[in-house]
Amino acid sequence: TQLLEQSPQFLSIQEGENLTVYCNSSSVFSSLQWYRQEPGEGPVLLVTVVTGGEVKKLKRLTFQFGDARKDSSLHITAAQPGDTGLYLCAGGAGNQFYFGTGTSLTVIP
Amino acid sequence: NAGVTQTPKFQVLKTGQSMTLQCAQDMNHEYMSWYRQDPGMGLRLIHYSVGAGITDQGEVPNGYNVSRSTTEDFPLRLLSAAPSQTSVYFCASSQVGGTTGELFFGEGSRLTVL
Repeated sequence: TQLLEQSPQFLSIQEGENLTVYCNSSSVFSSLQWYRQEPGEGPVLLVTVVTGGEVKKLKRLTFQFGDARKDSSLHITAAQPGDTGLYLCAGGAGNQFYFGTGTSLTVIP
Repeated sequence: NAGVTQTPKFQVLKTGQSMTLQCAQDMNHEYMSWYRQDPGMGLRLIHYSVGAGITDQGEVPNGYNVSRSTTEDFPLRLLSAAPSQTSVYFCASSQVGGTTGELFFGEGSRLTVL
């Protein structure tokens, strides 16, 4: 059972453009994490949000946790080629982390 | 600082063969887990452990066994490999159980079952 759906699945944009990736679920999570994965490597944590409505900023990346703690978004401002990678959201419930389907981002120079 | 180490990085098996994927971490993390990653499906949890001697099933445990005899090691055993188990497998550890700890991942083990 896939609890977390991400959209879009693929995204190809020009350098300097803005983008938003969505992570949606019908389940409530105690926390929501975002990871980035590069080819041949394991995912690396970008951020953890735990409070409904919480907004966190990490340089050009803005993360938001939905008020009902069922969804999240990742917004990138002025994308750069170094942002290219697979973005994964992960919802925490009990002792398990449920990962989303992933968004593959390509930023073209 | 090695972090999470997985071996082997690549493996080809024939249907019905068994094998063990090794995972070791040197961060003294209590929580360890195994995921498989398939195209378009993200990461799916196979088994996890909150400490030595304690293991539990995740979303897709069928066909896999685990044990946790030490804090450092968490091997994943494929009992009788099937083509549906062709995937990339990731081991991850965290300092704490629960759901706010950062997961540290290994580099992955790519398994092909013919």
